[in-house]
Amino acid sequence: DIQMTQSPSSLSTSVGDRVTITCRASQTIGNYLNWYQQKPGKAPQLLIYAATSLQSGAPSRFSGSGSGTDFTLTISSLQPEDFATYYCQQSHTNPYSFGQGTELDIK
Amino acid sequence: QITLRESAPTLVKPTQTLTLTCSFSGFALSTSGEAVGWIRQPPGKALEWLALIYWDDDKRYSPSLKDRLTITKDTSKNQVVLTMANVDPADTATYYCARSFYTSGTYGYWGQGTLVTVSS
Repeated sequence: DIQMTQSPSSLSTSVGDRVTITCRASQTIGNYLNWYQQKPGKAPQLLIYAATSLQSGAPSRFSGSGSGTDFTLTISSLQPEDFATYYCQQSHTNPYSFGQGTELDIK
Repeated sequence: QITLRESAPTLVKPTQTLTLTCSFSGFALSTSGEAVGWIRQPPGKALEWLALIYWDDDKRYSPSLKDRLTITKDTSKNQVVLTMANVDPADTATYYCARSFYTSGTYGYWGQGTLVTVSS
């Protein structure tokens, strides 16, 4: 199985901050990397697919980069509605594993 | 408008078989390229991918759970059913079904999830 490792596991941030979350795959996955946002009690929502493509409806302050094994999700200017947990996921090889999540909370 | 909704018993006893139903609208699983997957999330923990069924009835399972899972579809009812045999308290989780997007392992539309507790 491909292991997905996110860092950090949690992050205390403030509105307006630039936030970067990293995700590393245990083997190369090309650009088969997705990012999801999950708020408490809600289903995950797709933000970024194919490493860099912004899902329709997702705010442009979210961006993704990387390929191979190392990937990054960047939020250019954090908004109050962005405090949530973020998961990376590889869609290259079954099982389509997720990272352990990165929780953003208010500093 | 695409919607998915999961249904399942809220409480199941250990060793029993759990049946989860995903009812969807807004797309047809008989259409070439479509797929529906199942993902679960134990309370306070990360997401775990479980299984996937394609429009042509091809199926994929997580290797760690393959022996316990069966996924089927009923295109006339717009439903996907996942059964999990021999459940254990470790299977307590919120179970989500989701429609594949762009690749079979990418999920653009999700149900709201259903919490299943395994306990005697």
